[in-house]
Amino acid sequence: AQKVTQAQTEISVVEKEDVTLDCVYETRDTTYYLFWYKQPPSGELVFLIRRNSFDEQNEISGRYSWNFQKSTSSFNFTITASQVVDSAVYFCALSEYKDTGRRALTFGSGTRLQVQP
Amino acid sequence: NAGVTQTPKFRILKIGQSMTLQCAQDMNHNYMYWYRQDPGMGLKLIYYSVGAGITDKGEVPNGYNVSRSTTEDFPLRLELAAPSQTSVYFCASSYGQNQNIQYFGAGTRLSVL
Repeated sequence: AQKVTQAQTEISVVEKEDVTLDCVYETRDTTYYLFWYKQPPSGELVFLIRRNSFDEQNEISGRYSWNFQKSTSSFNFTITASQVVDSAVYFCALSEYKDTGRRALTFGSGTRLQVQP
Repeated sequence: NAGVTQTPKFRILKIGQSMTLQCAQDMNHNYMYWYRQDPGMGLKLIYYSVGAGITDKGEVPNGYNVSRSTTEDFPLRLELAAPSQTSVYFCASSYGQNQNIQYFGAGTRLSVL
């Protein structure tokens, strides 16, 4: 069975600090995808990034960066120079790849990030 | 740019009542999903569909039913509502296959009292 663990329940930082959100996953699949979603206070889920299991290159998008390490089954998310607008719950998710066609996401329990002004 | 639209946004039900949560997408996605999010938890899959006329159970299907008569619509039916079904329900859609970037609706907050 698949599992995603986000051990940090809540993180509080002051604006402009860097912050890293941890994600550790378990899967028996050799092909899989990892995702990060943001859930702002308004409640919707916003897609941030997808990474496939064959691509371990780190990715940077503005103030956001992601570090994928298969050796430690981790897919960590760093926000540089955090801003108040980054305050949200962040979910890491793992996509299965089954012959049945099912492509559901297994979510971690989320990390609530509070950025104080 | 509608994307995935869920109605209603909020609903209060009495124990034993039934209701249908509506979900529609305008992106011509073949895959659609229903998740529930309990307080402080991640999302759990209730049902999914890989195309019109094809549905299957997810992780927590008990107490729910779905149908998929068109590509666009994927309603979730609650029969005999119970307090354990108090949750936020999210509908999502994706193009499926390997990409599987799922796009979510804004959610329906349901309370069963």
